[in-house]
Amino acid sequence: SQTIHQWPATLVQPVGSPLSLECTVEGTSNPNLYWYRQAAGRGLQLLFYSVGIGQISSEVPQNLSASRPQDRQFILSSKKLLLSDSGFYLCAWSVITSSGRSSYEQYFGPGTRLTVT
Amino acid sequence: GESVGLHLPTLSVQEGDNSIINCAYSNSASDYFIWYKQESGKGPQFIIDIRSNMDKRQGQRVTVLLNKTVKHLSLQIAATQPGDSAVYFCAERLPYGQNFVFGPGTRLSVLP
Repeated sequence: SQTIHQWPATLVQPVGSPLSLECTVEGTSNPNLYWYRQAAGRGLQLLFYSVGIGQISSEVPQNLSASRPQDRQFILSSKKLLLSDSGFYLCAWSVITSSGRSSYEQYFGPGTRLTVT
Repeated sequence: GESVGLHLPTLSVQEGDNSIINCAYSNSASDYFIWYKQESGKGPQFIIDIRSNMDKRQGQRVTVLLNKTVKHLSLQIAATQPGDSAVYFCAERLPYGQNFVFGPGTRLSVLP
């Protein structure tokens, strides 16, 4: 069965410090991978998605970047955190259909709670 | 931009009653919709989905209704239980790209 992991689960970082959040997926190959941010009491905001190794699409201009060094590994980074980067970060994956589009369901990881102080 | 919204940000129901959570979507060409449940501090969990060629789909204690005429989606939970307390999100799959758009969520509180 497929599983998705995120770490760390919680993180408190000072303003201006770097960030690295990791997401890995097991039990599937060549998934689409996504990073979302969820502010308190808000919906999910898509930050990045990747359809393959080294392929990253950014949805929102921001202080963050993403990388996909391996097929089932997705990393969210920042060189210098801002207070506004605080939030709940979720990684998700979906299957790619033969037409190249995501299939239906997205599967979410447990999330990382980031607090920038 | 296009977005998915919810009519009620919070909903309180008595245990045992039925719950109805509503959602409006804006892209008439979206072809697939999902309801997720998110408990505090956890990632969203898939509840039920529906394709745009359907108007109703039933699961265990849950039913999703799709009204394409008015671009409205609803989630019905039968015999609501305390374990149903969570935030519920609807999402639409846009007709282009790889993206889903999520609504802000409705918090469901089940009263004893």
